Amino acid sequence: ELQLVQSGAEVKKPGESLKISCRGSGYSFSSYWIGWVRQMPGKGLEWMGILYPGDSDIRYSPSFQGQVTISDDKSINTAYLQWTSLKASDTAMYYCATSRWFGEFSWGQGTLVTVSS
Amino acid sequence: DIVMTQSPLSLPVTPGEPASISCRSSQSLLHSNGKNYLDWYLQKPGQSPQLLISFGSKRASGVPARFSGSGSGTDFTLKISRVEAEDVGVYYCMQALQSPPTFGPGTKVDIK
Repeated sequence: ELQLVQSGAEVKKPGESLKISCRGSGYSFSSYWIGWVRQMPGKGLEWMGILYPGDSDIRYSPSFQGQVTISDDKSINTAYLQWTSLKASDTAMYYCATSRWFGEFSWGQGTLVTVSS
Repeated sequence: DIVMTQSPLSLPVTPGEPASISCRSSQSLLHSNGKNYLDWYLQKPGQSPQLLISFGSKRASGVPARFSGSGSGTDFTLKISRVEAEDVGVYYCMQALQSPPTFGPGTKVDIK
């Protein structure tokens, strides 16, 4: 059974760095696209970017280009979302999702990131 | 980028009654292979999104038959034949033609 397990909730201060993770199991990690979706409090879903581990093809949504870094470690079937300097506006739930193409996504349970001084 | 819109944004429903949500895309989602690259997801309160419909009309595994998707090109519809209490949540359409995908704003369905 395909499963995505995300790292736990984080509480950070503005200016701090952060890397959250998403581990896939039950499928061929390198052969599926895996991406990140932001959901700010009380708001809708926004794709941040998507990665194909097989050839490290990474595609960012324009709003998130340069703001975050998406990466992976194929040896442990894990994708990452990273910030170098968090802002209060980064407070949100972050979901990872995977599929063999750009639709029919399966989802992780979400990671809540809270940025507050 | 393909922009997705939905209407209505809020939909109070009566259990047992039908419900319908419209989704429009700024570009055609009809691929040369004849398939429409449009997904529907439901996010129930406090949960991750779950796939309901792909390719505009293909029900995902385990999705009740009361859910159906239709449409082609730029205009799509999600219909619930008879709403049940467990169907409350936010429904999103998502274009899957270009990467990264993009979502509509969501339609919040709740019980009257």
